[in-house]
Amino acid sequence: KAGVTQTPRYLIKTRGQQVTLSCSPISGHRSVSWYQQTPGQGLQFLFEYFSETQRNKGNFPGRFSGRQFSNSRSEMNVSTLELGDSALYLCASSSGTYYTGELFFGEGSRLTVL
Amino acid sequence: AQSVTQLDSHVSVSEGTPVLLRCNYSSSYSPSLFWYVQHPNKGLQLLLKYTSAATLVKGINGFEAEFKKSETSFHLTKPSAHMSDAAEYFCVVSDRAGAGGYNKLIFGAGTRLAVHP
Repeated sequence: KAGVTQTPRYLIKTRGQQVTLSCSPISGHRSVSWYQQTPGQGLQFLFEYFSETQRNKGNFPGRFSGRQFSNSRSEMNVSTLELGDSALYLCASSSGTYYTGELFFGEGSRLTVL
Repeated sequence: AQSVTQLDSHVSVSEGTPVLLRCNYSSSYSPSLFWYVQHPNKGLQLLLKYTSAATLVKGINGFEAEFKKSETSFHLTKPSAHMSDAAEYFCVVSDRAGAGGYNKLIFGAGTRLAVHP
């Protein structure tokens, strides 16, 4: 069974640009969550989608957005990039039907903003 | 609000010696607690979880953790360290407050474990 796949793995952008990251969950998983990991702030929850609906949201500005498609694949978008957005963005999936707390993580997309 | 505090940012052990990674939690109700591990340039993997069943929880790769409500602790241990255990370990609590709360995890700052030959 394939794991969680994130693309691209690495990318470099400049301030003011926007970026879209993609996540394909494990087959059959309907919940996709996104986390930001930085050396200074650690791992922080961005949002979670379940059946194309945002079910939960962290404390990030509106520049951070996401969506989920009918096949459970998810994308997150960051507009008007700032230097502080440089981070590893991790996607995680779970079956999502009932709360378990067990998430399966991808290897992340490492974003560098210059 | 739920939170976790990992008491050591770095732990260094010799191969074959015990491992102890310390974690204290804060929760207004019975928490669900987890340990996740992150190897270099990899995503996170669940080691073990506590969800109000047995207080001693066994996980993968010989790790276990004990939930102690009186001490609000959830320390991770392993009897004998292996070189492959070198990684970053995160103590995690689930946040079930508010609407849904499903799968919203609150991570500790992490403990980097080094294992020396």
